[in-house]
Amino acid sequence: EAGVTQFPSHSVIEKGQTVTLRCDPISGHDNLYWYRRVMGKEIKFLLHFVKESKQDESGMPNNRFLAERTGGTYSTLKVQPAELEDSGVYFCASSQYLGTGAPDTQYFGPGTRLTVL
Amino acid sequence: QKEVEQNSGPLSVPEGAIASLNCTYSDRGSQSFFWYRQYSGKSPELIMFIYSNGDKEDGRFTAQLNKASQYVSLLIRDSQPSDSATYLCAVNGAGGFKTIFGAGTRLFVKA
Repeated sequence: EAGVTQFPSHSVIEKGQTVTLRCDPISGHDNLYWYRRVMGKEIKFLLHFVKESKQDESGMPNNRFLAERTGGTYSTLKVQPAELEDSGVYFCASSQYLGTGAPDTQYFGPGTRLTVL
Repeated sequence: QKEVEQNSGPLSVPEGAIASLNCTYSDRGSQSFFWYRQYSGKSPELIMFIYSNGDKEDGRFTAQLNKASQYVSLLIRDSQPSDSATYLCAVNGAGGFKTIFGAGTRLFVKA
């Protein structure tokens, strides 16, 4: 079974440019999450999709970040315009909904390392 | 106060010893607790989850949860050099899906 994949693995852009990150979850996983780890800090939740719907986007830093999951399959996270503080590793994770009371076991992708110069 | 707190380490143990990793959390409504292992430059890899008070064992790993003390720990028995990594404690709140991570504890197992 293929795991969570992310593209690109690295991205270096200049301040003010736009970058789009892509995540392909494990096939059949309805839940998709975006996280970010800024250097030296803990992994921070950004948002959670269930299929194509945003369930929780409380972690999105500001309106420069836009996440989509059209069709409930892959997801994109666009940063426009990028700022220096957006640099970090962006992880995507997915899980299969098992029903009420079951722990949500998330599987992480390899991450996209974003550097904004 | 951070929502999930871990000692950053590094924690250094000799090969074959027991490594004990600790984590406290602030949200008393938290329901599920996870331990992830992350090698340098890699993605987090789930080791164990626990959601009931007490101990849960899986091979060389034992997770312990004490909800009254808001404390969760991970014991690694017979530590191996390959266990050297950063261990992340993660907690799901009452809603069940938003995962809060600690900053991680770096573990070194000396051969």
